Amino acid sequence: DTAVSQTPKYLVTQMGNDKSIKCEQNLGHDTMYWYKQDSKKFLKIMFSYNNKELIINETVPNRFSPKSPDKAHLNLHINSLELGDSAVYFCASNPFPTGELFFGEGSRLTVL
Amino acid sequence: TQLLEQSPQFLSIQEGENLTVYCNSSSVFSSLQWYRQEPGEGPVLLVTVVTGGEVKKLKRLTFQFGDARKDSSLHITAAQPGDTGLYLCAGVNAGGTSYGKLTFGQGTILTVHP
Repeated sequence: DTAVSQTPKYLVTQMGNDKSIKCEQNLGHDTMYWYKQDSKKFLKIMFSYNNKELIINETVPNRFSPKSPDKAHLNLHINSLELGDSAVYFCASNPFPTGELFFGEGSRLTVL
Repeated sequence: TQLLEQSPQFLSIQEGENLTVYCNSSSVFSSLQWYRQEPGEGPVLLVTVVTGGEVKKLKRLTFQFGDARKDSSLHITAAQPGDTGLYLCAGVNAGGTSYGKLTFGQGTILTVHP
C-alpha cells in the first residue's frame, strides 16, 4: 500500500482553468503539507495542516486554496492557472512537525 | 527568512570517485535532514542529524552536522552509478511561528558515470 498517494500524477491544462490535486496518507500522521518543486528542483513549502487545521501558509497567491476534510486527506485547488504555476507539486506528511517527511510521488502540472 | 545554501548545484563524476556536498546557513537549526530524490519520485529521507558535531554513517555515505548547527556536509566514498540522484538538505526550525517548517537547500544533482 502506498503511504502517501496523490492524484493525478500528470496534469496538462490551459491558462485560466481551475484544477485540483488530491492527496491521501495512510500512515496515521497528524501533519500534512503541500510543497512546490520548480524546474530548478528547488522545493518550497506552500501549506501545512495539523489535524485539519492550517498552521503554515507561506506567501502563496490566494488562487491556491488547500482543503483538509480529515487528517488523512489534503487537497489543493488552483484557480485561474498561470504559466508560472507549472511545477511538480508534492504532498507530504509526518508524525510530528519536526519529524521525517514522507512524500508522495508528485503531481506534474503543466500550464499551456 | 532562513536560507540554506547548498553546493555544488551539479556534480558529474566517475564511478569510484569521492565527493562532498555542503549545506551552509547563517541560521541555527534544531536538526538537519538529508533526502535523496530519484526522477519521478518524491524525496526519501537518508538521515537526520541533531547534535552539533554529530557524525552519522550510512554505508558509503557520511553525514556531519556542524558544531554550531548551522552547516552540514554529505560525503560519499567510492561513488557508484546507483548513487545518482538529487540530494537535498533541509534544516528544521523548532521554535516560534516557524515550528516544524523545513527550509530546503537548492539541491545537488549528482551523476555518477560507470
